[in-house]
Amino acid sequence: DSGVTQTPKHLITATGQRVTLRCSPRSGDLSVYWYQQSLDQGLQFLIQYYNGEERAKGNILERFSAQQFPDLHSELNLSSLELGDSALYFCASRRAHTGELFFGEGSRLTVL
Amino acid sequence: SQQGEEDPQALSIQEGENATMNCSYKTSINNLQWYRQNSGRGLVHLILIRSNEREKHSGRLRVTLDTSKKSSSLLITASRAADTASYFCATDGNRDDKIIFGKGTRLHILP
Repeated sequence: DSGVTQTPKHLITATGQRVTLRCSPRSGDLSVYWYQQSLDQGLQFLIQYYNGEERAKGNILERFSAQQFPDLHSELNLSSLELGDSALYFCASRRAHTGELFFGEGSRLTVL
Repeated sequence: SQQGEEDPQALSIQEGENATMNCSYKTSINNLQWYRQNSGRGLVHLILIRSNEREKHSGRLRVTLDTSKKSSSLLITASRAADTASYFCATDGNRDDKIIFGKGTRLHILP
């Protein structure tokens, strides 16, 4: 158990819809990273937050947005969903002094 | 674009043999990490090597880093069936907090 919790584990929705993925980082970790993993692909970095502020941005579509709340949990919002958005979405929190990432088990999104 | 690129994309070896995976990257880094992913699961951190280190060991894992060639290798000795997984390198640049992953090497250990 990494200590990072992601919900929901599975989500099936239709094109054009909007979903929210939630992540609770490990206790004490201030930094949250979001990644997208499509079938047989590596992890695409989407966005990173540190203590409520956006710190780094990757290949995140304009239809996607995220935020980190005062209690440090984070949400990734995906809107106007397309078939190609079907993927595993991972959240990870980062240990401050060692730099390693701790991953949740992911949210598997299927867009029909 | 991806910072790290692993090689080979897939590797099948007999149980007990050693497995070597390579990672190349493009820009200067603070550190390089290796992760393992069992099918469809979250990634698990294996080892981190800093830019001023050349070699690091952890159990059956040995990681090397050559900053002049911008490359790293992960060696798993005496492989076991449980080592079957995908392995990813991840680089931590020195200009921002991004941690960028490669596409991974799929390792299959044959009984």
